[in-house]
Amino acid sequence: QKEVEQNSGPLSVPEGAIASLNCTYSDRVSQSFFWYRQYSGKSPELIMSIYSNGDKEDGRFTAQLNKASQYVSLLIRDSQPSDSATYLCAVNKSFNKFYFGSGTKLNVKP
Amino acid sequence: DGGITQSPKYLFRKEGQNVTLSCEQNLNHDAMYWYRQDPGQGLRLIYYSQIVNDFQKGDIAEGYSVSREKKESFPLTVTSAQKNPTAFYLCASSFRDRAEQYFGPGTRLTVT
Repeated sequence: QKEVEQNSGPLSVPEGAIASLNCTYSDRVSQSFFWYRQYSGKSPELIMSIYSNGDKEDGRFTAQLNKASQYVSLLIRDSQPSDSATYLCAVNKSFNKFYFGSGTKLNVKP
Repeated sequence: DGGITQSPKYLFRKEGQNVTLSCEQNLNHDAMYWYRQDPGQGLRLIYYSQIVNDFQKGDIAEGYSVSREKKESFPLTVTSAQKNPTAFYLCASSFRDRAEQYFGPGTRLTVT
């Protein structure tokens, strides 16, 4: 079983819509959770971190964490074509040791 | 400008040759990491270092070696023992008491 699972997509949404990206993790001891955005050919860029159950909002981005269900999600409101990228979910288990999902590709259509 | 630099951006080597990838940071981060990314896959941890002169193996350390002689630098050597070295190599760093990791621009290594 993989540590972190994501649907590879692609997820296609029209411009202005809400994009919903999901991630599940296998180990209940996981402590903190991160979303990275990766444009094609580039390195990952940290966009959100979340440590406790509930929602965390930052601009157009909202991260949601449900530790009981071992589930993390990222909502992108008012999606823009510039949001088209692969979104990586990462889970920190201990000593800053991250496990990454394989990413969900998001396409935002003008 | 604070940041993480990796060089070179592209690297081509013949099979059987060792190659060293550079990673430098001026963020005053304590910890540094090396990952590899293969097409359509997530990042996999090769080695990490929490402090100078100390480092630990990640999940796929076989065929790689590292050193951490300075806080700012964490070079990765891909040895001839690494069976499938062609990949995108990413260096990251973080503060020891903060989990957030920040990535350099990466080095794309092709071995033929």
